[in-house]
Amino acid sequence: EADIYQTPRYLVIGTGKKITLECSQTMGHDKMYWYQQDPGMELHLIHYSYGVNSTEKGDLSSESTVSRIRTEHFPLTLESARPSHTSQYLCASSVSGTSGWQYFGPGTRLTVT
Amino acid sequence: GESVGLHLPTLSVQEGDNSIINCAYSNSASDYFIWYKQESGKGPQFIIDIRSNMDKRQGQRVTVLLNKTVKHLSLQIAATQPGDSAVYFCAETFGANSKLTFGKGITLSVRP
Repeated sequence: EADIYQTPRYLVIGTGKKITLECSQTMGHDKMYWYQQDPGMELHLIHYSYGVNSTEKGDLSSESTVSRIRTEHFPLTLESARPSHTSQYLCASSVSGTSGWQYFGPGTRLTVT
Repeated sequence: GESVGLHLPTLSVQEGDNSIINCAYSNSASDYFIWYKQESGKGPQFIIDIRSNMDKRQGQRVTVLLNKTVKHLSLQIAATQPGDSAVYFCAETFGANSKLTFGKGITLSVRP
């Protein structure tokens, strides 16, 4: 089983709050990703990183930001949460040089009221 | 743009029957395909993968078939069990260090 962790698992917050979703992996993977997923829908890539100090925006525009200061840690921050940010956020990681097989964390379900 | 899509949003099967989940992809350059299973409240889990130089790959109770001519991918689950109930996603990528493109997901429901 993959060792990739996300906290919190569930979060309900009010509009305008700043939040950080945590993601950590203990597998030493270089690549990490953040996806946004609505129930029963496809996963949309919002951020990815190919290594420390490397971050890129994904296919879906997002108001969130990410950082990659350590290999194992890839937090996602929303400076001012809005109801439109309500969704599930999934973190994933993979080994460099492989063809894209990603390990996923359990996800954080965010509700902004 | 390029996309990966699934034909049907839901599939209901009788326990013990075989299940076939289909996926269409539009990027002819894609060279690696993955099936993921996502149970309620969890992240997607890898089931099986296949490279474009193959047309069939078998795992434990699962088989993936790739038809590059019509850009079609399918997942076959033998003797479907209640534990197979989940949302299934196909995903594609091409080249090294490339991102995955996921389909919309199909819900498999197993009737007892």
